[in-house]
Amino acid sequence: SAVISQKPSRDICQRGTSLTIQCQVDSQVTMMFWYRQQPGQSLTLIATANQGSEATYESGFVIDKFPISRPNLTFSTLTVSNMSPEDSSIYLCSVDWAFFGQGTRLTVV
Amino acid sequence: GQQLNQSPQSMFIQEGEDVSMNCTSSSIFNTWLWYKQDPGEGPVLLIALYKAGELTSNGRLTAQFGITRKDSFLNISASIPSDVGIYFCAGQKGESGGSNYKLTFGKGTLLTVNP
Repeated sequence: SAVISQKPSRDICQRGTSLTIQCQVDSQVTMMFWYRQQPGQSLTLIATANQGSEATYESGFVIDKFPISRPNLTFSTLTVSNMSPEDSSIYLCSVDWAFFGQGTRLTVV
Repeated sequence: GQQLNQSPQSMFIQEGEDVSMNCTSSSIFNTWLWYKQDPGEGPVLLIALYKAGELTSNGRLTAQFGITRKDSFLNISASIPSDVGIYFCAGQKGESGGSNYKLTFGKGTLLTVNP
């Protein structure tokens, strides 16, 4: 099993600013995943974060907008850059497919 | 991108009733997963299915991996108020760690249980 600590749990941000979300895992994992869950919607994979290499982004998501760091096998960050109200969502990190963080509820005003 | 068709979208039931929800896809998945998400939380894995035809139980929950590998259902028996939440199905085409590790999620079923 894995325990994932994600923070912040929620934030309200101004348009045009950036927010960095942190994800800490209590064990070493090869791959970490970042998802977006728009209000009332399902989960959409943003990117896969691999330690020691650049993240792999899904169609519709780009590194300039969602830069990801993966400095070691237990930690990753996702930054939502130059935010607009359309970025208001829940952002979730995950390891394997069994374990998710509690999510970061982002509201952009 | 590809999506799973999950139904129903929402359900309102009385405590003690059984409930069933399902997911279908136009393509084959090698793993089917069912999650529950409570408000303000991330999804929690309920059941994982690895083989076509597999029927797996976890307490009052039972899920099956369809024979065609294109569908799955989840049943909850004797529902209780804490069953309230959003249930998601997800499919994975390959084994974890392989090139097809990514999950495709259904849109979710919102379950409300009236005490």
